[in-house]
Amino acid sequence: GAGVSQSPRYKVAKRGQDVALRCDPISGHVSLFWYQQALGQGPEFLTYFQNEAQLDKSGLPSDRFFAERPEGSVSTLKIQRTQQEDSAVYLCASSLVTGGGEKLFFGSGTQLSVL
Amino acid sequence: EDKVVQSPLSLVVHEGDTVTLNCSYEVTNFRSLLWYKQEKKAPTFLFMLTSSGIEKKSGRLSSILDKKELSSILNITATQTGDSAIYLCAVDSGGKLIFGQGTELSVKP
Repeated sequence: GAGVSQSPRYKVAKRGQDVALRCDPISGHVSLFWYQQALGQGPEFLTYFQNEAQLDKSGLPSDRFFAERPEGSVSTLKIQRTQQEDSAVYLCASSLVTGGGEKLFFGSGTQLSVL
Repeated sequence: EDKVVQSPLSLVVHEGDTVTLNCSYEVTNFRSLLWYKQEKKAPTFLFMLTSSGIEKKSGRLSSILDKKELSSILNITATQTGDSAIYLCAVDSGGKLIFGQGTELSVKP
């Protein structure tokens, strides 16, 4: 595709429900990142994939958060037993190369509201 | 703890004004500093700065990095209503970006 695609655009969940957020990166992009952006804040790093390998998951806030990228392209961020504090925009970004310093291409995010 | 701080948090100006947005950082593994513009949801890339004192320029926007002062500024001259957005500063620290809170710029006609 032309850009990073995320789905759904909006998700409303009841507290305690599980949710799955999908990210389709730009074709051929090796690096994939997930960020969480709370209202009025900057994005915060969650996790990083290089191809199918999850190289850094230090930003995942709890063991309720799980991310995968099994074939090195599409990635899914799963949140189990959602809590109100999980309400945020979840941004996915991809980059052509590995390592740091490269500009990332961001998706439009999934806005999650937990009631 | 690594941190990136932006100021001001919000700014209201009139069309034609010039604005300066500030970003300071304390990061243990600095690779580069990036500026993004965020309208609605997806941040879009503006500049990447790695060397101190070299200005990057794109149209009415320009940015410069001061590694000694651990800071950067983003200048926008002759502002337009289309410049209204949140401007995010981020530091690349070993491959992951550490973002500031953002500066919300509102340009009034």
